[in-house]
Amino acid sequence: GEDVEQSLFLSVREGDSSVINCTYTDSSSTYLYWYKQEPGAGLQLLTYIFSNMDMKQDQRLTVLLNKKDKHLSLRIADTQTGDSAIYFCAENENYGQNFVFGPGTRLSVLP
Amino acid sequence: DGGITQSPKYLFRKEGQNVTLSCEQNLNHDAMYWYRQDPGQGLRLIYYSQIVNDFQKGDIAEGYSVSREKKESFPLTVTSAQKNPTAFYLCASSARAGTTNEKLFFGSGTQLSVL
Repeated sequence: GEDVEQSLFLSVREGDSSVINCTYTDSSSTYLYWYKQEPGAGLQLLTYIFSNMDMKQDQRLTVLLNKKDKHLSLRIADTQTGDSAIYFCAENENYGQNFVFGPGTRLSVLP
Repeated sequence: DGGITQSPKYLFRKEGQNVTLSCEQNLNHDAMYWYRQDPGQGLRLIYYSQIVNDFQKGDIAEGYSVSREKKESFPLTVTSAQKNPTAFYLCASSARAGTTNEKLFFGSGTQLSVL
């Protein structure tokens, strides 16, 4: 099946920028998503990008998409301790029949 | 407030026992999903339903069963045939299945453990 890959851990200092990377394999994916999961909670949709876009910015979040390399990134500016969570990249395959999630990147924000 | 409610938050299963996890949504969404989350892994799809009285198996359906008698409700039963049920279970919904810009909305999850 199709695959979504992410590095599992990232540590940054408070106030720095965080960049979480993701690669995917399904070239037919039309939408790609970033979800945030805090401990013991469900996933919260942070942002998403349409595949014909290169970039999307939403306050402190910037999503970059390199469709040729099938690479997606999420940049969080001025990272705060409240940003500590697991971040999941996901693609929408088969016209919504199946979302494929990466393993999640655990972001730790150090004071 | 519209949303997805999962209950209970924590559930314990004894050997040979079936247990049922509840999922209710008041978002008027057509599609509902059950995912299993294991530490360090992505979400794996157990079952999904695009419409009332219809559901399909996902990637790891063995040992699980579902029903969709009402639009708002999509309970998941973990049967005794599921030999490794300890995991965090997430219910999700989306407005319509089968479109390219679907967005999944999640409940707060149920942690199932084996006694």
